[in-house]
Amino acid sequence: DIQMTQSPSSLSASIGDRVTITCRASQTINNYLSWYQQIPGRAPKLLICSTSNLQSGVPPRFSGSGSGTDFALTITSLQPEDFGTYYCLQSYSPPWTFGQGTRLEI
Amino acid sequence: EVRLVQSGAAVKRPGESLRISCQGSGYNFNNYWIAWVRQMPGKGLEWMGIIFPGDSDTKYSPSFEGQVTISVDKSISTAYLQWRGLEASDTAMYYCATSRPPWGYYGMDVWGQGTTVTVSS
Repeated sequence: DIQMTQSPSSLSASIGDRVTITCRASQTINNYLSWYQQIPGRAPKLLICSTSNLQSGVPPRFSGSGSGTDFALTITSLQPEDFGTYYCLQSYSPPWTFGQGTRLEI
Repeated sequence: EVRLVQSGAAVKRPGESLRISCQGSGYNFNNYWIAWVRQMPGKGLEWMGIIFPGDSDTKYSPSFEGQVTISVDKSISTAYLQWRGLEASDTAMYYCATSRPPWGYYGMDVWGQGTTVTVSS
């Protein structure tokens, strides 16, 4: 199985800050990396697929980057609605695997 | 609009069987993979497995293979997650989600609202 190591596990930031969350895969995943936001009590929401493709309706302050085994989600100019837990997911090889999650507090 | 609607919350006793459902609408049900994800209370997301309704090709996570069964009924655009003998450790929220082809490229783009399963004696 491909292991996904996500960091940090938690993060406290202020409105307007820029934050970066990283995920490292245990082997190359051909950029099949997606990012999800989960607000407490809600289903996860897809933000970015295939490393850097922003989903329709997701604000452009969210961006994804990376290649090979190292990937990042960056949020510029944090907004109050950006709180929650963020997960990465590799969907290259089954079983698909999530990172451990990053709890973002604002 | 692509939409997934899951069945309601379930409360069961250890050893009982259960099948929860996930009905798709707004797209060609046969052509999108459907995955199941577990979230135990206060914990992260765990990918359980995935099925392609068109041919019922199914892949399981080793962590869940043999513990659950994933199936579909194409005639009613519905996917299922089934247990034969529930345990207290199956208490969790379960989500279904679509994944458009090609395999894995789009991740899991539309999610159901979740089904809470509680197993308690």
